Amino acid sequence: DAGVTQSPTHLIKTRGQHVTLRCSPISGHKSVSWYQQVLGQGPQFIFQYYEKEERGRGNFPDRFSARQFPNYSSELNVNALLLGDSALYLCASSLEGANYGYTFGSGTRLTVV
Amino acid sequence: EDQVTQSPEALRLQEGESSSLNCSYTVSGLRGLFWYRQDPGKGPEFLFTLYSAGEEKEKERLKATLTKKESFLHITAPKPEDSATYLCAAQGTGAGSYQLTFGKGTKLSVIP
Repeated sequence: DAGVTQSPTHLIKTRGQHVTLRCSPISGHKSVSWYQQVLGQGPQFIFQYYEKEERGRGNFPDRFSARQFPNYSSELNVNALLLGDSALYLCASSLEGANYGYTFGSGTRLTVV
Repeated sequence: EDQVTQSPEALRLQEGESSSLNCSYTVSGLRGLFWYRQDPGKGPEFLFTLYSAGEEKEKERLKATLTKKESFLHITAPKPEDSATYLCAAQGTGAGSYQLTFGKGTKLSVIP
């Protein structure tokens, strides 16, 4: 069975640019969450989507946005990139929004130069 | 605001030397306490979920326990392949019930 898949695996962008990261959840999982992990820190919650609706949003600026598609895949968009946005971006899926464990993908390593 | 604190930040063990990792949490009602293992450059790998004080779960050389304020990950007779960063996360029942709040992790190194 395929796990949570994320693309691309690595990305280098210039300050001020825009980036789109993609996530495909485990088959049957309707909930997708996004986390940012800066080197040496634990993951920080950005968004959760369930059945295409935003269920939760972490303490991130409006430059960060996301959406979930009818097939439950998801995109994370970041506008006007800053050097501080360099991090590992993780996607996690679960069977339901709050009551089950979360399975993480391998992440997208974003470097902003 | 939910908070999770892990200690120590780093732990160096000889192969076979048992020890414990600590996770202290503050949440408005606990929905679940999660342990993950993370290898460098990879996503977190699920280990355990604990739901109520007194609960224990085991997997190979790992055993997780839960009290009302802390969780412990006990590692018995570790092997070099157990070297990784171990992350603890809490999920509350309050306003942030859809998110996991992670600690910074404990980096475990097991020396042959």
